[in-house]
Amino acid sequence: GENVEQHPSTLSVQEGDSAVIKCTYSDSASNYFPWYKQELGKRPQLIIDIRSNVGEKKDQRIAVTLNKTAKHFSLHITETQPEDSAVYFCAASKGVTNAGKSTFGDGTTLTVKP
Amino acid sequence: GAVVSQHPSWVICKSGTSVKIECRSLDFQATTMFWYRQFPKQSLMLMATSNEGSKATYEQGVEKDKFLINHASLTLSTLTVTSAHPEDSSFYICSACRAGGNNEQFFGPGTRLTVL
Repeated sequence: GENVEQHPSTLSVQEGDSAVIKCTYSDSASNYFPWYKQELGKRPQLIIDIRSNVGEKKDQRIAVTLNKTAKHFSLHITETQPEDSAVYFCAASKGVTNAGKSTFGDGTTLTVKP
Repeated sequence: GAVVSQHPSWVICKSGTSVKIECRSLDFQATTMFWYRQFPKQSLMLMATSNEGSKATYEQGVEKDKFLINHASLTLSTLTVTSAHPEDSSFYICSACRAGGNNEQFFGPGTRLTVL
């Protein structure tokens, strides 16, 4: 089955700096890679996603890059703010029109210091 | 749109009792729902995939007789933890995928189960 590894497990940055979280996956058939933000005791919220036919996607301060050959994808947050502090999970799944089950990374606890 | 609710949000029960958790898609039809459990400071672990009108598909190591899943309609899936024990205490989260949609999952708010 799919195996997703996520690094680092914790990340502390100063407000205004950039944060980068990296994930690798094992199944070359995976084609959908979402990133979720989860605050303590709350549901995961999708913040950005990318499909295997795209190399990069950006949404304001958040961007995701995908390297299919190397089977890794990364989340980039620029100009970090204290409210960005949360646990971030990457995931990988396969399937196009049908819902494919996702395999999650272990999560990265991001702390943005004011 | 794409709102998923869960009920109850938290429950405390005695060891040996059964607990039912409901997951509803409020404004869309969901042919597929997923059930996860999440221990403190850990990732989401998929327990089972729930398909409307058919039997759930359980992940390896998840006891289907202990975690009963029913997906009777396109907007409701239930998870029943039978004969709960303290080690079943966890945060249970469901997600739903839109019928005819892409892979995007919409998560419920989770249910905190504490078994005494």
